[in-house]
Amino acid sequence: AQSVTQPDIHITVSEGASLELRCNYSYGATPYLFWYVQSPGQGLQLLLKYFSGDTLVQGIKGFEAEFKRSQSSFNLRKPSVHWSDAAEYFCAVGAPSGGSYIPTFGRGTSLIVHP
Amino acid sequence: NAGVTQTPKFRILKIGQSMTLQCTQDMNHNYMYWYRQDPGMGLKLIYYSVGAGITDKGEVPNGYNVSRSTTEDFPLRLELAAPSQTSVYFCASSYPRTGTYRSMNTEAFFGQGTRLTVV
Repeated sequence: AQSVTQPDIHITVSEGASLELRCNYSYGATPYLFWYVQSPGQGLQLLLKYFSGDTLVQGIKGFEAEFKRSQSSFNLRKPSVHWSDAAEYFCAVGAPSGGSYIPTFGRGTSLIVHP
Repeated sequence: NAGVTQTPKFRILKIGQSMTLQCTQDMNHNYMYWYRQDPGMGLKLIYYSVGAGITDKGEVPNGYNVSRSTTEDFPLRLELAAPSQTSVYFCASSYPRTGTYRSMNTEAFFGQGTRLTVV
């Protein structure tokens, strides 16, 4: 079965600074990978996804992520953080398992943005 | 296009009461899921369904039941509410593909959540 690790529970950055949120996955083949964002009291919104092809994926709101098979990682990056980026970020991996497709989520990273 | 709709948004239950969380999607997705979200724990899969008439347990199914009589609807039933079921519940749907059609996969689309408190 697949699993996801987000090693950072909280990340604090200053507005305008760069950001990298870490995500490591465990799966035997090429997985489907996602990053979601959740604002307080809201549902999850997809930032970007990787299914195949180019390993550098561009998403909404200026985010990007790079799939690195050798490191089993899919880290999320943004060159300049805005105060509105403060939210909870979830990495997820999906992979066929017994013929079913089941997204598995990490525990999340809370992003705090200082002015 | 409504996407995934969950009702109610908030609910307070007394211990031992029962209720059904409703979930409907209008995207003709074959896969649907129920997750619960607890602080610092991420999302845990309760049940999922790969199509009408087919359901299966996820990681934390105890205390819950589901049914999938139509493609659109996937209600979650709590029979005897317990304080441990206090959580935020999310319904989601997707249309996964494999092999040649892998690039046509959809991500999971989520509802806005139901905040349930059991007292």
